[in-house]
Amino acid sequence: DGGITQSPKYLFRKEGQNVTLSCEQNLNHDAMYWYRQDPGQGLRLIYYSQIVNDFQKGDIAEGYSVSREKKESFPLTVTSAQKNPTAFYLCASSMNRDGNQPQHFGDGTRLSIL
Amino acid sequence: AQSVTQLDSHVSVSEGTPVLLRCNYSSSYSPSLFWYVQHPNKGLQLLLKYTSAATLVKGINGFEAEFKKSETSFHLTKPSAHMSDAAEYFCVVSPPNTGFQKLVFGTGTRLLVSP
Repeated sequence: DGGITQSPKYLFRKEGQNVTLSCEQNLNHDAMYWYRQDPGQGLRLIYYSQIVNDFQKGDIAEGYSVSREKKESFPLTVTSAQKNPTAFYLCASSMNRDGNQPQHFGDGTRLSIL
Repeated sequence: AQSVTQLDSHVSVSEGTPVLLRCNYSSSYSPSLFWYVQHPNKGLQLLLKYTSAATLVKGINGFEAEFKKSETSFHLTKPSAHMSDAAEYFCVVSPPNTGFQKLVFGTGTRLLVSP
């Protein structure tokens, strides 16, 4: 079945540590996105990529970094500069950047501080 | 700027009774509108979308929504709630002319279904 796979499901970060969240899709979608979800808030966009080897900052990019070396993969690194990383992270993809196309979501990674 | 307001943070219904989840949007142009559902510790699943075709949109699991431009609303309804409908629901707007598909999410409505 086509879809988006996020791993790990749960992740713990120590102080000063960088951690990387994996996102893989087999939908042949051009565009991919990373969101952060906090309780009582809607999703906030961290980074997005419309094509391989290109990505743009979203609304809350500080303390995060991404790469898009392959169409299928869009990993997110939470760096030590992100002072409040505890959240639920969701990866999504869409066929292209057309606003009519829905985004498809993975099942998320929950990141906590040790 | 585009925005989405979900008017209720929580809605409680009994199984078998109708569901109404309210959403108002603000947009300078006719946007695309979506409803997504999220079960605990899961990603978001698309329920339905409006993209300037029919104003009454039917989705999965018996849900539907009506686009009312005059009221800038896109309320989600279901005639009869099921226990499995208990989840969080997000109304989402995709503004046009942004150069890419930037979605604006509401803060969510948690639907509670009692037996």
